[in-house]
Amino acid sequence: EVQLVESGGGLVQPGGSLRLSCAASGFTFSDHYMDWVRQAPGKGLEWLGRIRKKANSYTTEYAASVKGRFTFSRDDSKNSLYLQMNSLKTEDTAVYYCGRVSVSDYGDYVGDFWGQGTLVTVSS
Amino acid sequence: DIQMTQSPSSLSASVGDRVTITCRASQVISNYLVWFQQKPGKAPKSLIYGASTLQSGVPSRFSGSGSGTDFTLTISSLQPEDFATYYCQQYNTYPLTFGGGTKVEIK
Repeated sequence: EVQLVESGGGLVQPGGSLRLSCAASGFTFSDHYMDWVRQAPGKGLEWLGRIRKKANSYTTEYAASVKGRFTFSRDDSKNSLYLQMNSLKTEDTAVYYCGRVSVSDYGDYVGDFWGQGTLVTVSS
Repeated sequence: DIQMTQSPSSLSASVGDRVTITCRASQVISNYLVWFQQKPGKAPKSLIYGASTLQSGVPSRFSGSGSGTDFTLTISSLQPEDFATYYCQQYNTYPLTFGGGTKVEIK
């Protein structure tokens, strides 16, 4: 059974830092790109970015709203994905989801499974 | 960035109704569109990718169509477990972008 379990959320002050983790199981983690998405309270989904696999040199894509503040990384030996968040703002308050990206029948990369999320609250 | 516009933002329907949700892209995205379902407090669930291909395990009452800039998600006969919020997402161009969502509520 595919599982993605996020952890590390909590309350942090504006300007602070937090590191989220995403533990993967039930599939070959190292074969997959991975995405991060967030959802502010009562709002829609926002794509934050992607980290590719080793064969693609672990390259990354970032949304403009987090570029330069957030950093994606992964440890394939631990089947884990990480999101380092620095210089946090109140508008970063959201549930953060990690997601698996798979190659579709057409050869393109599509998010196909998401974890349950972890809540990050940025407030003084 | 490519803007994704969903309509309506919410709708009320009864069990058994046929429901249609539309998604329009601000630029041509070919068929690089995925539809997600999200229930309150739960993770998004992928329903359809490539605009029209059902994910494994998704009931056949869900269907998707469209290409270019205009897309449709149809639920042929609404079931109680289908009351949720639906999002489209384009994956043609970075950054990937979501529509604003369509909340399907019980009439």
